[in-house]
Amino acid sequence: SAVISQKPSRDICQRGTSLTIQCQVDSQVTMMFWYRQQPGQSLTLIATANQGSEATYESGFVIDKFPISRPNLTFSTLTVSNMSPEDSSIYLCSVSPGQETQYFGPGTRLLVL
Amino acid sequence: GQQLNQSPQSMFIQEGEDVSMNCTSSSIFNTWLWYKQDPGEGPVLLIALYKAGELTSNGRLTAQFGITRKDSFLNISASIPSDVGIYFCAGPKSNAGNMLTFGGGTRLMVKP
Repeated sequence: SAVISQKPSRDICQRGTSLTIQCQVDSQVTMMFWYRQQPGQSLTLIATANQGSEATYESGFVIDKFPISRPNLTFSTLTVSNMSPEDSSIYLCSVSPGQETQYFGPGTRLLVL
Repeated sequence: GQQLNQSPQSMFIQEGEDVSMNCTSSSIFNTWLWYKQDPGEGPVLLIALYKAGELTSNGRLTAQFGITRKDSFLNISASIPSDVGIYFCAGPKSNAGNMLTFGGGTRLMVKP
């Protein structure tokens, strides 16, 4: 399995600001994903981060609100833009080395005031 | 769309008891995954199942891929306090390669 790190691990932000979350993997992986986990809820896929092209967003998520970068096969960022308290969640990146399994980072806990 | 229904939503058990939780779907899945999420952490993959009828163990954990390919269960034997957490089942979205859909989770609490 891959070793995945995320920065920051947690943050408290003011509404209207933006936060960029970084995800670093210790090996090259083709597939990287970003999830949101709202308080007490399950995981919801935001988008697939594609290396060298625009991310593929799930229904209900848009690039203007959640811009994603994927400059290489070991790194991705997710930005939560123009935040509101409803954006308070855990944001998780994951990677898929194959066989339809995914491994998750430790998550970034975001609280928006 | 595909939905995974996980039950029970929560369990509060005594240390040493066995635990069973399951996941069902109206759609067929070709892979079933079971994850555990500790408080304040990301989900960790416990067991992956790839064949209908497959029974796989990982220590005190045992999971089975249902014959109909529409369900899976996870058993934990002789529970201990560190088993506390949320257990999620997951499976690949149809025609979507490695993208996963998750069940709602089973929150397990263990009383020492």
